Amino acid sequence: NAGVTQTPKFRVLKTGQSMTLLCAQDMNHEYMYWYRQDPGMGLRLIHYSVGEGTTAKGEVPDGYNVSRLKKQNFLLGLESAAPSQTSVYFCASSYMTATEAFFGQGTRLTVV
Amino acid sequence: GQQLNQSPQSMFIQEGEDVSMNCTSSSIFNTWLWYKQDPGEGPVLLIALYKAGELTSNGRLTAQFGITRKDSFLNISASIPSDVGIYFCAGLLPQGGSEKLVFGKGTKLTVNP
Repeated sequence: NAGVTQTPKFRVLKTGQSMTLLCAQDMNHEYMYWYRQDPGMGLRLIHYSVGEGTTAKGEVPDGYNVSRLKKQNFLLGLESAAPSQTSVYFCASSYMTATEAFFGQGTRLTVV
Repeated sequence: GQQLNQSPQSMFIQEGEDVSMNCTSSSIFNTWLWYKQDPGEGPVLLIALYKAGELTSNGRLTAQFGITRKDSFLNISASIPSDVGIYFCAGLLPQGGSEKLVFGKGTKLTVNP
């Protein structure tokens, strides 16, 4: 049972490049979330999904897009990376709202 | 922006001391959660609180869901070196028929042996 798996673990992008971060969970969870973590800022919610085919904006959605085509996968896309998007990105999932959210190991992204 | 105010930002304590940290908000939350994050890892749930006034313990950890549903605290008794890490409060905020999980900025705990 892998839990929540994020790929890649590390990535360096040049400004303007695009990329997709993949989150996969094998716990049949309905809810999935993408957060970014910056020093002194805690975890800020980018986008979340309450079920397959649905997505919603979080606190800091600008510059990111997401898709939830399959229940087990939640993709985070950066269409044109900017240095301000340098961060550690965490994906999480939970069975239902109001239950424990399980986190992945994080993806460290640097945009130069 | 952030809707949870977590304090203190950091704490430096001696092994064996008790620790207390709290979160407050101007919004009402349905659930309060406390997570711990070790370096290089994702946050791991410590305690979940589902009802206003609820007091829950997990070993040396005790947390309470405030009766106004706008605050929560976490206490750690008799701290040990492995308690070092960043502690986050999180809350489920009602949002248009669903709920989103939002986090405080974290309390960084350092325990001196």
